[in-house]
Amino acid sequence: QKEVEQNSGPLSVPEGAIASLNCTYSDRGSQSFFWYRQYSGKSPELIMSIYSNGDKEDGRFTAQLNKASQYVSLLIRDSQPSDSATYLCAARASGGSYIPTFGRGTSLIVHP
Amino acid sequence: EPEVTQTPSHQVTQMGQEVILRCVPISNHLYFYWYRQILGQKVEFLVSFYNNEISEKSEIFDDQFSVERPDGSNFTLKIRSTKLEDSAMYFCASSMVLGVRREGRRQETQYFGPGTRLLVL
Repeated sequence: QKEVEQNSGPLSVPEGAIASLNCTYSDRGSQSFFWYRQYSGKSPELIMSIYSNGDKEDGRFTAQLNKASQYVSLLIRDSQPSDSATYLCAARASGGSYIPTFGRGTSLIVHP
Repeated sequence: EPEVTQTPSHQVTQMGQEVILRCVPISNHLYFYWYRQILGQKVEFLVSFYNNEISEKSEIFDDQFSVERPDGSNFTLKIRSTKLEDSAMYFCASSMVLGVRREGRRQETQYFGPGTRLLVL
């Protein structure tokens, strides 16, 4: 059974701080990893994808991948109240299935 | 910017009734998906569809579910005999390609529609 685990939170950070969101996955065959943002009652929106060990930066967002530890994280710099949402981690194995397995999501609250 | 659309936004039905959820994927996309999300739970994959046939399906996608691309634009999910536990948000998604390995390419990105909230009474 492929599992993606996330702390449900809520993670509360002050405006301007760095928010750090973490995710672990059970399937060692996973090759592609995704972070989605989901506002309450809305659909998931892709923020970042990462495939290689290390960091990948896109604006205020940095995704970090450590395949040896089966760990993915998302850092949000200069957090804004508009970043308040649930962040979903998803992992997908290479070959065979191309379907992502989603975590339950971490609720982030950025307070002014 | 092109987007995935879904209708209806909300659907209330009686247990045992058939429902059809409709999606219009992004026009140049080739791969289509249905996901569901029970309130407060994970997003769960149901089925993927390519070249007019199912390419993958999950254990959830049993005989009461079917998908169809009746014309060049619509992609539908039918639930034949709804159960209480089918109450969920159903998301359609589409992507240009199925999967890529190279860092930075966005063609595999799955774009989600706004969802249909289904309530089975």
